[in-house]
Amino acid sequence: DAKTTQPPSMDCAEGRAANLPCNHSTISGNEYVYWYRQIHSQGPQYIIHGLKNNETNEMASLIITEDRKSSTLILPHATLRDTAVYYCIVRVIGNQFYFGTGTSLTVIP
Amino acid sequence: NAGVTQTPKFRILKIGQSMTLQCTQDMNHNYMYWYRQDPGMGLKLIYYSVGAGITDKGEVPNGYNVSRSTTEDFPLRLELAAPSQTSVYFCASSFGEPQHFGDGTRLSIL
Repeated sequence: DAKTTQPPSMDCAEGRAANLPCNHSTISGNEYVYWYRQIHSQGPQYIIHGLKNNETNEMASLIITEDRKSSTLILPHATLRDTAVYYCIVRVIGNQFYFGTGTSLTVIP
Repeated sequence: NAGVTQTPKFRILKIGQSMTLQCTQDMNHNYMYWYRQDPGMGLKLIYYSVGAGITDKGEVPNGYNVSRSTTEDFPLRLELAAPSQTSVYFCASSFGEPQHFGDGTRLSIL
């Protein structure tokens, strides 16, 4: 079973920041949070991951709350190409990922 | 680099037929995975492998078999195709993280 909860859909205006929330209240101390996205039913694309600290890369920022029960993926300047389904995943032992149903993000011109 | 290559891209099978979905990676990754994705749903892990000669069941292994004789290849076998196995199948590989995915095989069982 997926260990994360995400809103099913969100809209964001082009050029604005997209903030995608994820709840993972049962996460264990050594489990990482990963974010992937899937565009047009292609293979999922890695975005970012983290354990405790906030992380940033060229694609996005990941903000993890201090109690680690939730996190937010931030796309700083959303473009039309960012329209996709975004998956928040908790990695369990053995490198197994459990995908939920994700958040369908629509970037509006 | 080709990354993760899956063949075929599309296939239609009749109930009871068998087939093998091919997956190969050229990144020398030790971990490989098979997922299925039903319409409107997230991916579910079928089988995974931590290295050549080692495989293990994921969340939904029933009706499938795998083998890992080389680092590069991780084929998925359907022995008796059933309509419930109509899905999109994704193969992935990793060396630690992140997982790199192929473009998928769209399989219909009629």
